[in-house]
Amino acid sequence: GDSVTQMEGPVTLSEEAFLTINCTYTATGYPSLFWYVQYPGEGLQLLLKATKADDKGSNKGFEATYRKETTSFHLEKGSVQVSDSAVYFCALREPQAGTALIFGKGTTLSVSS
Amino acid sequence: DTAVSQTPKYLVTQMGNDKSIKCEQNLGHDTMYWYKQDSKKFLKIMFSYNNKELIINETVPNRFSPKSPDKAHLNLHINSLELGDSAVYFCASSQALTSGRAQFFGPGTRLTVL
Repeated sequence: GDSVTQMEGPVTLSEEAFLTINCTYTATGYPSLFWYVQYPGEGLQLLLKATKADDKGSNKGFEATYRKETTSFHLEKGSVQVSDSAVYFCALREPQAGTALIFGKGTTLSVSS
Repeated sequence: DTAVSQTPKYLVTQMGNDKSIKCEQNLGHDTMYWYKQDSKKFLKIMFSYNNKELIINETVPNRFSPKSPDKAHLNLHINSLELGDSAVYFCASSQALTSGRAQFFGPGTRLTVL
């Protein structure tokens, strides 16, 4: 079945460091890809998405490019802030109608000043 | 102006009890979902409704029963609660069934079964 694999956390960085969180997927179809963020004690918020190969999703300084050849959707940010500390989830959704999101296990990011 | 709301936010109860969690969305979406997040933060789909019709029903004990009285509401009733039901339950909604549409999540309901 479909699956999403994220790098194990926690990821600990200093403020202004470069961030990469790896995400690869396995899918039978041609899915849409998402990154969600969960701040402590809160629900999930959509961070960015991409719906076809070579699309780049971006938001709040975060970027991810849909790479069909490597089945990857790595999340990057050039300069992290303390306020970026959260759990980041990579997810996919197959193109068939009525499918739900399939999530990776989440990566905890901790940024210190 | 909350988009997806859930009540209650916290629910503490004894084993064997029956409880319900309510979800409402004011986004005009026609598809709603219930996800379960376990203690390791892993998220898994439980149910999905489209226009009040059940379209996803994952391998979930039949003690869990979703109900959708209208497109804007999806409630989750749990009978005979067990310790293993302790988790955070998230409601979500999206416009239509198209895969590229993002899902919007509620704040979650933290259920603790003692």
